[in-house]
Amino acid sequence: SQQGEEDPQALSIQEGENATMNCSYKTSINSLQWYRQNSGRGLVHLILIRSNEREKHSGRLRVTLDTSKKSSSLLITASRAADTASYFCATDQRGRDDKIIFGKGTRLHILP
Amino acid sequence: DAGVIQSPRHEVTEMGQEVTLRCKPISGHDYLFWYRQTMMRGLELLIYFNNNVPIDDSGMPEDRFSAKMPNASFSTLKIQPSEPRDSAVYFCASKKTVITEAFFGQGTRLTVV
Repeated sequence: SQQGEEDPQALSIQEGENATMNCSYKTSINSLQWYRQNSGRGLVHLILIRSNEREKHSGRLRVTLDTSKKSSSLLITASRAADTASYFCATDQRGRDDKIIFGKGTRLHILP
Repeated sequence: DAGVIQSPRHEVTEMGQEVTLRCKPISGHDYLFWYRQTMMRGLELLIYFNNNVPIDDSGMPEDRFSAKMPNASFSTLKIQPSEPRDSAVYFCASKKTVITEAFFGQGTRLTVV
């Protein structure tokens, strides 16, 4: 069963604009991760945020975590054509922090 | 390290045949995961191992599916007999410890006709 659920399911924006994707989850967690998947490839880890953190940055990526709302967001600033991919959030579960469950992902398409 | 290595990359088989998917995790990683990805169901966790021991196989869909990890550098996922609804991309992933990133293989695209 999926723990996380991404929103929107699909997103198309112009190159240079910012892209925001959201993730909601159901149970208490120790950490939340975001991954990217290019078509036909394996998933690549982007960023991990722990439950005691509220915000984290990595290059053009900004992740926020609100444990009271059980939600997270991934912001990609100044989008590029190469950012076209599917983005997944993944969560562990408090008490089962070795198990990683993925949502269904957001398909992001950057228009030239 | 070459990363997580899966084989074969593509597999086409006839319904009823046995299929074996293989995975070599990153050296030194204690955890190994098997996922299945389809358009309808997304990325499903089938089973995962810690130090070669199966920890949770609740995602294995049926008794036709089995997974083993005979040593720290090798794991197999077997489907016997295979059915058309097993067609999917199967991913293997490994990670070093808890609350760390997982590294994925390139996947095996299985088609059962």
